[in-house]
Order: sequence, then structure tokens, then C-alpha cells
Amino acid sequence: GAVVSQHPSRVICKSGTSVKIECRSLDFQATTMFWYRQFPKQSLMLMATSNEGSKATYEQGVEKDKFLINHASLTLSTLTVTSAHPEDSSFYICSARRVGGSTEAFFGQGTRLTVV
Amino acid sequence: AQSVTQLDSHVSVSEGTPVLLRCNYSSSYSPSLFWYVQHPNKGLQLLLKYTSAATLVKGINGFEAEFKKSETSFHLTKPSAHMSDAAEYFCVVSDQYLRSNTGKLIFGQGTTLQVKP
Repeated sequence: GAVVSQHPSRVICKSGTSVKIECRSLDFQATTMFWYRQFPKQSLMLMATSNEGSKATYEQGVEKDKFLINHASLTLSTLTVTSAHPEDSSFYICSARRVGGSTEAFFGQGTRLTVV
Repeated sequence: AQSVTQLDSHVSVSEGTPVLLRCNYSSSYSPSLFWYVQHPNKGLQLLLKYTSAATLVKGINGFEAEFKKSETSFHLTKPSAHMSDAAEYFCVVSDQYLRSNTGKLIFGQGTTLQVKP
């Protein structure tokens, strides 16, 4: 099966600092990765679509300068939360699709970010 | 535009009884539909998917779903619930374009399944 690894699984950071979350497809290549945010007891909200070698496409209302996305290779996308504030605390999940594959997306384990 | 509505935010069943989680969708294109399960503080696991093949789709752990175009529904069922089935379930629609795998996944609001002993 296809495995997507997300790291770290948990992170606590101080207000004003930046945090980087990595999303790797371990056994397949992914031209497209997706970043989601999930608030407690709520559904997943798509933040942005990350395309290898090009700029990410952000959903309406998501601050591009706040949530920096880089997709430097076919197996790695990163989300950097810049100048984090307590309201950025959330569960962040990435997903990836195979190159030329089906519509199925494979999800990472998620990252619990707590900003204190 | 695509959308998906999960009709129940919370479903409670007794162990050994059937499970029904309801989902209705709206899509301008021929949709791909999925059910994912999420256990607390975990990522999402695919239960099953519909991609215009057989309308009755069988998934893992005894779950299945039936695609009904006339009703725009994709309800998830299981004949007999186990305690380990307690989790959050998401119905998802993808607007898959031809020759592209960049279609977005649109998530339903989620249904919390509680299984009582």
C-alpha cells in the first residue's frame, strides 16, 4: 500500500516562532499533495494544494504568508506555520496522490500543533 | 460545484447491531466517492471508494456502501458493529477531471459512531 509519513506528530512551540511540518510519500511519487486543518470535533478544511515544482494554490481565506508551502520534490512537501499564535493551534493533516494514479488520496498521520 | 452532506453528526448503536451512516452528495461531474475513518488524533484510513464501476462497493472491516445516482446518496453500512468501529467517519467527494489527478477532496462534516457494549 501507499504510505504517507508526516512529521512531527506533535509539536509545541512558543508564540512568534515558526514551525515546519513535513509530509513524505514513502513508496510512491506524488505530484500533488494537499494540506488540511482540522479543529476539534470538526471536519477537515482544505488549506492548499501543493504542486511539485510550482507555487501552491491556496483556498480562500488562507493566508499565504502565514502558511508557507514548499513542494520541492515528488516525495516531499512542507508546511511552515510562520510567527505562530495560539489560534494556529490545530491538527494539520497532509495527503498525497500517486502520479498518474487513481483518485484515491493517502493521508499522513497528522500533526498536533500547540502554540503557547 | 461539489458538496457532500452527512445527515447525522452522531450515531449510536449497540455492539452486534447494524450500522448505517448516511451521505448525500452533489457533483457537476461524474464523481468519485469515498468513505474514510479517523480514530482520535490519527490520520485518515480509506474504508472504500466508488469510481464509476460497481455501484455496490465493499470495503475493509466489513463495511460497504451503495452508490445511488437517482438519490445522490452513498450511505455506509455494516451488518454488525464492533467496539473497535467507534470512530469518526467522513464521506468525501472528488471532482476528478479526465487526465488529471488534481481534483480536490471535499469532506462531509463527519459522523461520530458510538458503539455501546
